[in-house]
Amino acid sequence: DAGVIQSPRHEVTEMGQEVTLRCKPISGHNSLFWYRQTMMRGLELLIYFNNNVPIDDSGMPEDRFSAKMPNASFSTLKIQPSEPRDSAVYFCASSFRVGVQDTQYFGPGTRLTVL
Amino acid sequence: DQQVKQNSPSLSVQEGRISILNCDYTNSMFDYFLWYKKYPAEGPTFLISISSIKDKNEDGRFTVFLNKSAKHLSLHIVPSQPGDSAVYFCAASAGFGNEKLTFGTGTRLTIIP
Repeated sequence: DAGVIQSPRHEVTEMGQEVTLRCKPISGHNSLFWYRQTMMRGLELLIYFNNNVPIDDSGMPEDRFSAKMPNASFSTLKIQPSEPRDSAVYFCASSFRVGVQDTQYFGPGTRLTVL
Repeated sequence: DQQVKQNSPSLSVQEGRISILNCDYTNSMFDYFLWYKKYPAEGPTFLISISSIKDKNEDGRFTVFLNKSAKHLSLHIVPSQPGDSAVYFCAASAGFGNEKLTFGTGTRLTIIP
């Protein structure tokens, strides 16, 4: 299996621009998670989906952030407009929910730099 | 507010010795705890977990201890190997089958040959 695929791996943009991060979960997985990693706050859960439906978006920092999962094999995280404080590594993870606790498999991340 | 805290940003240990990574939590609803390991330019990978009904879980060189009264858990690596050099994240979840994980800020472990 190819694992969780994220693109792009690196993104450098200017303040005010729209940024779209993409994720392809592991085939057959039915839960998908978006995280943000910063030095100060570690790994923060932004939003997660189960069977393509958003379950918890309480971690989305503000209205500038939006996420979609149009089908089981693709999700996007969009920031519009981007700000320098959005600079971080964004991870996508997926799992197959079957029981009490299901292992989340992370992608390699997208390093976002907003100038 | 940081509900899961890893107060040591970094730790250096001699190869062959024991590495002990610590994690504290404040939310008494947390009942499942995990450790993830992360190498540079890669995503975190699951290492070991423990349910609140246990106080110890072992997997090879890795053992996690849970002290519910102190709201503290620790990861022991014995013996430490150079390949263990990575960032270790502690995570917790609350409630049966809850997929939402709360992570700490991570501890960078360096194993000195």
